[in-house]
Amino acid sequence: DTGVSQDPRHKITKRGQNVTFRCDPISEHNRLYWYRQTLGQGPEFLTYFQNEAQLEKSRLLSDRFSAERPKGSFSTLEIQRTEQGDSAMYLCASSPGTQYNEQFFGPGTRLTVL
Amino acid sequence: AQSVTQLDSHVSVSEGTPVLLRCNYSSSYSPSLFWYVQHPNKGLQLLLKYTSAATLVKGINGFEAEFKKSETSFHLTKPSAHMSDAAEYFCVVTLGPSGNTPLVFGKGTRLSVIA
Repeated sequence: DTGVSQDPRHKITKRGQNVTFRCDPISEHNRLYWYRQTLGQGPEFLTYFQNEAQLEKSRLLSDRFSAERPKGSFSTLEIQRTEQGDSAMYLCASSPGTQYNEQFFGPGTRLTVL
Repeated sequence: AQSVTQLDSHVSVSEGTPVLLRCNYSSSYSPSLFWYVQHPNKGLQLLLKYTSAATLVKGINGFEAEFKKSETSFHLTKPSAHMSDAAEYFCVVTLGPSGNTPLVFGKGTRLSVIA
């Protein structure tokens, strides 16, 4: 399978704990995006990368959130001191980086904060 | 500011009848617009995209959408619904003028297909 993969698929944690999610984009896609989707809503943009450079962060991304893409391949999204409001589906997408190319989405990581 | 408004949160049709999912957009630039579909427990999949070429865009599975600048609309249609079309549909606009920027999603329209 050469699609976007995310790990883990599900994560249950207690409030106050740190969690880290991983995204592996499609090979040679140089743009990588993170979105968050809560129940009954459309996905909301969090941040994105061009290779290893983080180009933009949404205002939704509080100081407790950090994302990296150290070698321009896979990316990690870390949430520190999780809160119940962080419970959501975290989606990763990648694209080739040329204009008008679609973003290919992974299956998502569902986070539940107890 | 870039935004999309999906006018119906839920649409229900009978199998074999036409589908119409409505979307209006707001954009500071000439927009790039998309429709994505999300089946239960599956990832988002692109149905079709408009990128300033033809105003009538054909997508996968018999769906099409028409870009109407005067009405700021990008409605999704299909002549005949199939049971497998039941899913959540999102109208999407790009955050920036390039088609290769983050996406802004509508709240979604849940399509139900009745046998």
